[in-house]
Amino acid sequence: GQQLNQSPQSMFIQEGEDVSMNCTSSSIFNTWLWYKQDPGEGPVLLIALYKAGELTSNGRLTAQFGITRKDSFLNISASIPSDVGIYFCAGQLGSNYQLIWGAGTKLIIKP
Amino acid sequence: EAGVTQFPSHSVIEKGQTVTLRCDPISGHDNLYWYRRVMGKEIKFLLHFVKESKQDESGMPNNRFLAERTGGTYSTLKVQPAELEDSGVYFCASSQDWQGVATFGSGTRLTVV
Repeated sequence: GQQLNQSPQSMFIQEGEDVSMNCTSSSIFNTWLWYKQDPGEGPVLLIALYKAGELTSNGRLTAQFGITRKDSFLNISASIPSDVGIYFCAGQLGSNYQLIWGAGTKLIIKP
Repeated sequence: EAGVTQFPSHSVIEKGQTVTLRCDPISGHDNLYWYRRVMGKEIKFLLHFVKESKQDESGMPNNRFLAERTGGTYSTLKVQPAELEDSGVYFCASSQDWQGVATFGSGTRLTVV
């Protein structure tokens, strides 16, 4: 089946550092979505990308839809404690509404 | 508006038993989705309802899984009989239209021992 390769699997950073994670695939996606899951909660949408090359920000978060439509990245600037959680990328292929998900990036902030 | 509600939040059952998970979508959302995440793996699509009809159940693992959506409101996902590999977090999500971004519930963590 279709796969999204999300990396890194986990990140241990200091508060205030910038964070970068990405997802790649061999397939072409029409939509890229980035979600965050807090402990005990469901995924919450952070950013949605609909066009190749699109760069979108949401506060300290910035995400881009790759030109080839096969990849996307998410950056978090100046991380704060509440940024901890699991970040997922998800993509939609063509007109199929089904979401294909990455395995998640677990963000941990060192005290 | 109230969010997507899932019950129970946790369930521990023995192999061979039956478990039923429930999802109450956001009121007025015709589209309801079930997803599952096995520990450390990606979230995988299970099925999609439009109102009371199954639009797509291609992600259902096998015939031990049965999903229903009575009257197009809440949905249940029954696993009978449960196997060890069914353990994971089951998420429900709903959206107003199929192209809309879905809102997720908090999930049900199922542990089969």
